[in-house]
Amino acid sequence: NAGVTQTPKFRVLKTGQSMTLLCAQDMNHEYMYWYRQDPGMGLRLIHYSVGEGTTAKGEVPDGYNVSRLKKQNFLLGLESAAPSQTSVYFCASSHRGLEAFFGQGTRLTVV
Amino acid sequence: AQSVTQLDSQVPVFEEAPVELRCNYSSSVSVYLFWYVQYPNQGLQLLLKYLSGSTLVESINGFEAEFNKSQTSFHLRKPSVHISDTAEYFCAVSTSQGGSEKLVFGKGTKLTVNP
Repeated sequence: NAGVTQTPKFRVLKTGQSMTLLCAQDMNHEYMYWYRQDPGMGLRLIHYSVGEGTTAKGEVPDGYNVSRLKKQNFLLGLESAAPSQTSVYFCASSHRGLEAFFGQGTRLTVV
Repeated sequence: AQSVTQLDSQVPVFEEAPVELRCNYSSSVSVYLFWYVQYPNQGLQLLLKYLSGSTLVESINGFEAEFNKSQTSFHLRKPSVHISDTAEYFCAVSTSQGGSEKLVFGKGTKLTVNP
């Protein structure tokens, strides 16, 4: 079983460039999340979705946008990347806020 | 709003010693509680969870955690650690209300097991 798959695994961007991170899950979960992980900060919630077509802001939403057009996919977009967005990004999915399953992460560097 | 506090950012211990990783949460409603483990350069894996019922929950590799509602705590313990337990451990809380549950994490505790 694939579980939660994130694409890409690594990316280097120049300041001001845009990109989209893709998260796909094959467990038919309603809930999907995007987190960023920075040293000493733990995981901070960026945006989340409780169902197809719905999204909500988390703790640190500024500079990011998301879309959930299909139940199995949750996209995270950076319209104009900044060095402060250098981080490891994790996607997760769960059944109604219960056990979350995580992807392997995307390491993003903005130079 | 819910929040999670992990009181220790780093915990060094010797192999075969007991360990306790502390976690406190704040929430105005009933919660689900989780401990996740992250090994270097990997994603997070569920270690154990409290949803309801018995307040003491166990994992398959010897960890246990006890839900204490009066102290709003969910501390993680292991009586005898191994080198392979070296990892970062995250406590997380999710509310039980329908609608917009969020899974919120603490800042993590790095457990280092020394020989």
